[in-house]
Amino acid sequence: ELKVEQNPLFLSMQEGKNYTIYCNYSTTSDRLYWYRQDPGKSLESLFVLLSNGAVKQEGRLMASLDTKARLSTLHITAAVHDLSATYFCASRGGSEKLVFGKGMKLTVNP
Amino acid sequence: NAGVMQNPRHLVRRRGQEARLRCSPMKGHSHVYWYRQLPEEGLKFMVYLQKENIIDESGMPKERFSAEFPKEGPSILRIQQVVRGDSAAYFCASSREAGTVTEAFFGQGTRLTVV
Repeated sequence: ELKVEQNPLFLSMQEGKNYTIYCNYSTTSDRLYWYRQDPGKSLESLFVLLSNGAVKQEGRLMASLDTKARLSTLHITAAVHDLSATYFCASRGGSEKLVFGKGMKLTVNP
Repeated sequence: NAGVMQNPRHLVRRRGQEARLRCSPMKGHSHVYWYRQLPEEGLKFMVYLQKENIIDESGMPKERFSAEFPKEGPSILRIQQVVRGDSAAYFCASSREAGTVTEAFFGQGTRLTVV
């Protein structure tokens, strides 16, 4: 059974700092998703990573995938307050369902 | 092109009542997925449907919960005889097709409160 683990689960950081968050998954999967969720809102798709070594960047966020290590990272560069949200990674399980991690709640302090 | 539409956005039910949650997928999408999110938790898969077919219901509780996606109209998630533990946000997602480079788009969710 596919399991997805994120760490850390809570992160408080200063504006302007860099940080990397991690997503491990337990069984072979052909894609990895990152989503952002603001309080009381739906999930906003950030990245879809499809192959080993895939790297995607959007603004201050960069995601990568290592399928051999079953690891994805989300790197935050020069954080700003607007990045405060909860970030979820998800991997694809059987029959197209997504298995989500518990999410990482990020707070960026001025 | 409207996104995934869910209604109602908020639903309050008394214990023992029925809750009906609706999801209209994006135009051109024939695959619908329902997820449940408890407070401070990630999303948990419930059921995956295509038009008139349930493909995977491995995440659905065995009792009181049912889902359908008829040929015409929205997908419905029905919870009978609701209990306090059913209080959660229920999200629907849709995708164009399975097995290729696909991305699931999520609706705004229905927040169910059982009092």
